[in-house]
Amino acid sequence: GAGVSQSPSNKVTEKGKDVELRCDPISGHTALYWYRQSLGQGLEFLIYFQGNSAPDKSGLPSDRFSAERTGGSVSTLTIQRTQQEDSAVYLCASSTDRGRETQYFGPGTRLLVL
Amino acid sequence: GENVEQHPSTLSVQEGDSAVIKCTYSDSASNYFPWYKQELGKRPQLIIDIRSNVGEKKDQRIAVTLNKTAKHFSLHITETQPEDSAVYFCAARIQGAQKLVFGQGTRLTINP
Repeated sequence: GAGVSQSPSNKVTEKGKDVELRCDPISGHTALYWYRQSLGQGLEFLIYFQGNSAPDKSGLPSDRFSAERTGGSVSTLTIQRTQQEDSAVYLCASSTDRGRETQYFGPGTRLLVL
Repeated sequence: GENVEQHPSTLSVQEGDSAVIKCTYSDSASNYFPWYKQELGKRPQLIIDIRSNVGEKKDQRIAVTLNKTAKHFSLHITETQPEDSAVYFCAARIQGAQKLVFGQGTRLTINP
């Protein structure tokens, strides 16, 4: 079946502009995660959605970052007033909630803030 | 919160030799430890995982060992091949939580 998809694959924006990144999880997966991967670095947790529960926002680096998940499926990560340090690859992952923790990653969105 | 340390950051081995990557974690309540492989420009993919109720798990040339007392776990790759070259990430999940905490990654290079 289809895996996790993300769009756009690449995004170049100017400092101060807002950006929206989209994630389509695997159908039927109730858990959705956003991570940030800076050049040559590890995976930094940003936010996690599980079904109808309140999201775990503990990883969001500032109030410029927000995310929502509509209808328990598609998620959008929004970065307001982008800064150069926001440049990174933003990865989305999804998993089931039936005792299997395997997270399946999307291809990522490479964000460059000029 | 949980903290995961991964070593080494880079590792270079001759083709056919073994490679070992080690991770330590801080929260004794962690109970799930996956390993992901990320090839250049591609998404991370799960290669093997282990739960806290077992000490070792093997899948062909890949094995993972877990020492709960010392709070560390290791990835072992035997008979390395050029296609094993990638960045490898370990992670830990605290019991009752879904969030994974990742190590900083190890860039493994297999020299022909």
